[in-house]
Amino acid sequence: DAGVIQSPRHEVTEMGQEVTLRCKPISGHNSLFWYRQTMMRGLELLIYFNNNVPIDDSGMPEDRFSAKMPNASFSTLKIQPSEPRDSAVYFCASSLTRANSRANVLTFGAGSRLTVL
Amino acid sequence: RKEVEQDPGPFNVPEGATVAFNCTYSNSASQSFFWYRQDCRKEPKLLMSVYSSGNEDGRFTAQLNRASQYISLLIRDSKLSDSATYLCVVKVAGYSTLTFGKGTMLLVSP
Repeated sequence: DAGVIQSPRHEVTEMGQEVTLRCKPISGHNSLFWYRQTMMRGLELLIYFNNNVPIDDSGMPEDRFSAKMPNASFSTLKIQPSEPRDSAVYFCASSLTRANSRANVLTFGAGSRLTVL
Repeated sequence: RKEVEQDPGPFNVPEGATVAFNCTYSNSASQSFFWYRQDCRKEPKLLMSVYSSGNEDGRFTAQLNRASQYISLLIRDSKLSDSATYLCVVKVAGYSTLTFGKGTMLLVSP
């Protein structure tokens, strides 16, 4: 398996532009997570999907952020309009979540490094 | 109060040294615990799970103290390749999401 695939790996854009980040989870995994990492705040959960349905989006900063998962093999995180404070590394992760399981091992993608000027 | 707290470091140690990190968590309903490792400019990867009875994986030993709500990671005989940031991770019962600490940076020097 190729693991969790994210694109683009790097993006530099100007304030006000739309940014779309993409993720392909590991085949067979039923949960997908979008995280954001900055030096100041560490890794923050933005949104979590289970079986393609958004379960918890309480971490999404504001209406400028939206995420979709149209099928089990693809998800997008969109920022519109982007702002300099959105600069961060955005990680997608997937896992196989079983009912009543104590373990929840996440496999992360390589991340998308976003710089908003 | 942060949910998961770690000393950011960096911990600077020579090769061969033993080093230990602690992590405290605030939610007493926390059920599962992990250590992840993150190399510079890379993604986090699972290092080991932390079991109630403590567990060992080669040079790495993880301990859990539920009464005091802290987790520890001990690394023996440090290698240069151990240089990374170590993230303490907690899962609360009834939730499928994980909460990450900000990490502790370890630098092992020759």
